[in-house]
Amino acid sequence: DAGVIQSPRHEVTEMGQEVTLRCKPISGHNSLFWYRQTMMRGLELLIYFNNNVPIDDSGMPEDRFSAKMPNASFSTLKIQPSEPRDSAVYFCASSLPPNYGYTFGSGTRLTVV
Amino acid sequence: QKEVEQDPGPLSVPEGAIVSLNCTYSNSAFQYFMWYRQYSRKGPELLMYTYSSGNKEDGRFTAQVDKSSKYISLFIRDSQPSDSATYLCAMSGRNNNDMRFGAGTRLTVKP
Repeated sequence: DAGVIQSPRHEVTEMGQEVTLRCKPISGHNSLFWYRQTMMRGLELLIYFNNNVPIDDSGMPEDRFSAKMPNASFSTLKIQPSEPRDSAVYFCASSLPPNYGYTFGSGTRLTVV
Repeated sequence: QKEVEQDPGPLSVPEGAIVSLNCTYSNSAFQYFMWYRQYSRKGPELLMYTYSSGNKEDGRFTAQVDKSSKYISLFIRDSQPSDSATYLCAMSGRNNNDMRFGAGTRLTVKP
């Protein structure tokens, strides 16, 4: 199994630009999570999907952030417009309850200048 | 107060030492307790998983959970330079979708 696949690995963009991060979960996993990791705040849950349906987006910081999961094998996290404070590593993870523990991707390192 | 508290370190030990990593938590609803290891520029990977109170051993790693004290620990015996990473504790209630992570402790094992 290739694991959770995220793209791009690195993204550098200018303030105000739209950024789209992509994730392919492990085949058969029915829960998908988007996390953001910074030195100051650690790992923060932004949103999670169960069977492609958004269940809890209370962690999404602002309306500038949106996430979609059009099918079981693909999800996107979009930031529009991006701001320097959005600079962080964004992780996607998937799981298959009742097995506990998530499988994380390698992350997308976002830098907004 | 954060739901999960973890000393970020950094922690530096010589090769062969016993390492003790700890977390405290405030939510008594947590039932599942996990430790993740994160190497630099990689995603966290699940290391140990424990349900409720008790101990679990896997090779050089031992996880302990004391629900009465809301305190969990990870012990690494005979530590190796390859153990150098950030270790994050994580915990969730009955619903696997409510996992909360500690800040992570950065560990360096020196040869």
